[in-house]
Amino acid sequence: EADIYQTPRYLVIGTGKKITLECSQTMGHDKMYWYQQDPGMELHLIHYSYGVNSTEKGDLSSESTVSRIRTEHFPLTLESARPSHTSQYLCASSADVASGRNEQFFGPGTRLTVL
Amino acid sequence: QQPVQSPQAVILREGEDAVINCSSSKALYSVHWYRQKHGEAPVFLMILLKGGEQKGHEKISASFNEKKQQSSLYLTASQLSYSGTYFCGTESRSNSGYALNFGKGTSLLVTP
Repeated sequence: EADIYQTPRYLVIGTGKKITLECSQTMGHDKMYWYQQDPGMELHLIHYSYGVNSTEKGDLSSESTVSRIRTEHFPLTLESARPSHTSQYLCASSADVASGRNEQFFGPGTRLTVL
Repeated sequence: QQPVQSPQAVILREGEDAVINCSSSKALYSVHWYRQKHGEAPVFLMILLKGGEQKGHEKISASFNEKKQQSSLYLTASQLSYSGTYFCGTESRSNSGYALNFGKGTSLLVTP
């Protein structure tokens, strides 16, 4: 059973608000990821991290930022939310590839609606 | 480089078989398969790490043809619980150990 958590599960906010989506995992995984996914559509990688103090932007341009101060925690922040940010945000983690088992475990997701 | 999945969607009757393909323009190091049910997060099915490798879980199996840079997922005697969207994720040799590139997904519906 994967132990990766996201809060909140649902969030409805007004335009211009600053929000932080939380993601935590208890598996000790080095790698963590943030994906954006519209209903029934593909997964778009927006940020990833190889470990503490390491963050990289993904393929999809995003106005969000991330931080990785602790191994287990990988929050995503939107400084000023806009209706175009309405989507589902999925967090995932995986073990280091050297272990040979680098499948990704996904959190339950945060469904964000910006009015 | 995003892998290409085919077909985009398929509808089966319970007990029928299906094949979902995933191909890449880059040399691949590994291929992952995930299934996502409506309203839920993707769930890992299997990973194929080297050319020619085949793996299986119950009546779902997969193959990886490294030379052709493609993988296929085989669903045998489909069950209602197989319904969902299937994604392949590829790891190329040029970015081994880096984030996966996911395909657009194949929507599978199994009807009674």
